[in-house]
Amino acid sequence: DAGVIQSPRHEVTEMGQEVTLRCKPISGHNSLFWYRQTMMRGLELLIYFNNNVPIDDSGMPEDRFSAKMPNASFSTLKIQPSEPRDSAVYFCASTLNRGRAGYTFGSGTRLTVV
Amino acid sequence: GEDVEQSLFLSVREGDSSVINCTYTDSSSTYLYWYKQEPGAGLQLLTYIFSNMDMKQDQRLTVLLNKKDKHLSLRIADTQTGDSAIYFCAESYSGGYQKVTFGTGTKLQVIP
Repeated sequence: DAGVIQSPRHEVTEMGQEVTLRCKPISGHNSLFWYRQTMMRGLELLIYFNNNVPIDDSGMPEDRFSAKMPNASFSTLKIQPSEPRDSAVYFCASTLNRGRAGYTFGSGTRLTVV
Repeated sequence: GEDVEQSLFLSVREGDSSVINCTYTDSSSTYLYWYKQEPGAGLQLLTYIFSNMDMKQDQRLTVLLNKKDKHLSLRIADTQTGDSAIYFCAESYSGGYQKVTFGTGTKLQVIP
């Protein structure tokens, strides 16, 4: 298995632009998580999907952030409009059966908003 | 709420043992985890322990859990330069879906 695949690896965009981050979870995993990592706040859970349905989006910072999971093999995290404070590394992780045996993380997308 | 605390930095010499410590607050934690993050990469699960266990050993890694003190440690025997990374402690609890809370991470520097 190729693991959790995220794209792009790096994204540089101007303030106000729309940004879309993509994630392909491990085949067969039914739970998917989006995290944000910054030096100041560490790892923050943004949203959790189970069987393609959003279960917990309490970590989504504000209405500028939205996430979708149209099918079991694809998810997107969109920021519109982007702001410099959104600069961070965004990770996608997937697991099976709510993750008692831990998560598999992707390599992340490093987002820089200038 | 849940809180997981770790020291920020640890420096050891190659060949020595490393001990990374973690404290957590949620007494209802069910699973506790150690993840490793190398530069430019995502977190990689190293090992995990169920809350009714005291110890788990996996090759060079030993996890010790003191549930009374809510203290978790990761010992790496014969530390190598390839072990240099950030190590995250994490806990999960059955708050509906095994929600996981991560610590702040401990940066391990191995000196050759």
